[in-house]
Amino acid sequence: SYDLTQPPSVSVSPGQTARITCSGDALPKKYAYWYQQKSGQAPVLVIFEDNKRPSGIPERFSGSSSGTMATLTISGAQVEDEADYYCYSTDSSGNHRGVFGGGTKLTVL
Amino acid sequence: QVQLVESGGGVVQPGRSLRLSCAVFGFTFSSHGMHWVRQAPGKGLEWVAVIWYDGSEKYYADSVKGRFTISRDNSKNTLYLQMNSLRAEDTAVYYCARDPGYSSSGPEYWGQGTLVTVSS
Repeated sequence: SYDLTQPPSVSVSPGQTARITCSGDALPKKYAYWYQQKSGQAPVLVIFEDNKRPSGIPERFSGSSSGTMATLTISGAQVEDEADYYCYSTDSSGNHRGVFGGGTKLTVL
Repeated sequence: QVQLVESGGGVVQPGRSLRLSCAVFGFTFSSHGMHWVRQAPGKGLEWVAVIWYDGSEKYYADSVKGRFTISRDNSKNTLYLQMNSLRAEDTAVYYCARDPGYSSSGPEYWGQGTLVTVSS
């Protein structure tokens, strides 16, 4: 089965830049999506197709992808950005099956 | 605005069946692929299944293939997940989510989820 690998945790101080990585063999051919999930809430899409930001998502959220790694960057992280973040992509074998990374707990303090 | 409302969760014994529903509002349901995603208590997100806009293609995670069936009724703006032969490890909050396109790009808008507990 196809896997996406994320670091379990990232910690930054308010105002610093947080970077969360996601590695997967199919990422050179498939888009990465990023989701924010706060405690007790449903996930929210923050980045789609590697680097596009949905309307309503603050500009401090950005995405990039190079080779087998996608990166979510939060420039000037705020206390309210503290959450779990998940990357998502699809298997490159053409079967359209989705997969999530294991998630990264972002702590801002 | 876009709204997705899941229902049908509850407590069920191992080996039994349950059907989840997801009613959608605020967009043209028949123009979008739809996903089911689940999250076991205290765990990460797990993609479960996707169905294309017209129901012509369906794909499943290995963990549910052969036991779960995704379907849709475009006349009722409703997505379904039929879950058979349930196991304790299927205990989770189940979310439905809209795909931005006709097929399978990635979950976009999400519902609030419905809890399924498999226990004797």
